[in-house]
Amino acid sequence: QQQVRQSPQSLTVWEGETAILNCSYEDSTFNYFPWYQQFPGEGPALLISISSVSDKKEDGRFTIFFNKREKKLSLHITDSQPGDSATYFCAAKTGANTGKLTFGHGTILRVHP
Amino acid sequence: EAAVTQSPRNKVTVTGGNVTLSCRQTNSHNYMYWYRQDTGHGLRLIHYSYGAGNLQIGDVPDGYKATRTTQEDFFLLLELASPSQTSLYFCASRLGGDAEQFFGPGTRLTVL
Repeated sequence: QQQVRQSPQSLTVWEGETAILNCSYEDSTFNYFPWYQQFPGEGPALLISISSVSDKKEDGRFTIFFNKREKKLSLHITDSQPGDSATYFCAAKTGANTGKLTFGHGTILRVHP
Repeated sequence: EAAVTQSPRNKVTVTGGNVTLSCRQTNSHNYMYWYRQDTGHGLRLIHYSYGAGNLQIGDVPDGYKATRTTQEDFFLLLELASPSQTSLYFCASRLGGDAEQFFGPGTRLTVL
């Protein structure tokens, strides 16, 4: 059972364009949603995160839009750069102190110069 | 910057072999996690621990044991490795509360 779904599987944009990565979830107890960025040969690293009490979180060129009613969120990368080419994982966590994350399958982003 | 190291970085073994993957964090974090990453599956939690001597079962624990010997060290054990365990393994650590997880660089395991 896939509790966190991501789309598309892969995405190619031109430098300067906005990349939109989508994520949806099923478990209504999820209340925290981090996005991780992973470059080849490295471990994932936290990029940006949002709590379920917010509908938007911005950090530079990266913005998360969150729709609690529809259980959907999206990561917008504006002015995409070739250095943004990576795999992006949407993850979800409940309020339990275990910190357990449920990850989506990831979106591979390629930014062409 | 939080530091998580893993060893070895690459490992090849044969079916039925005995493998130990090591993870060390020097962040004084309470929680440590073992994940496997496979194409089409993302990252899946195998085992985790919230302190020395503690072990919690994750979402895909079958075929794996783990042991947290100290605050810093968390080991993943495959006692009878199978080809289905060929994967990229990541360790992560976290302080607690709402703190983020910090990931190590990964170990690529191949079971022939």
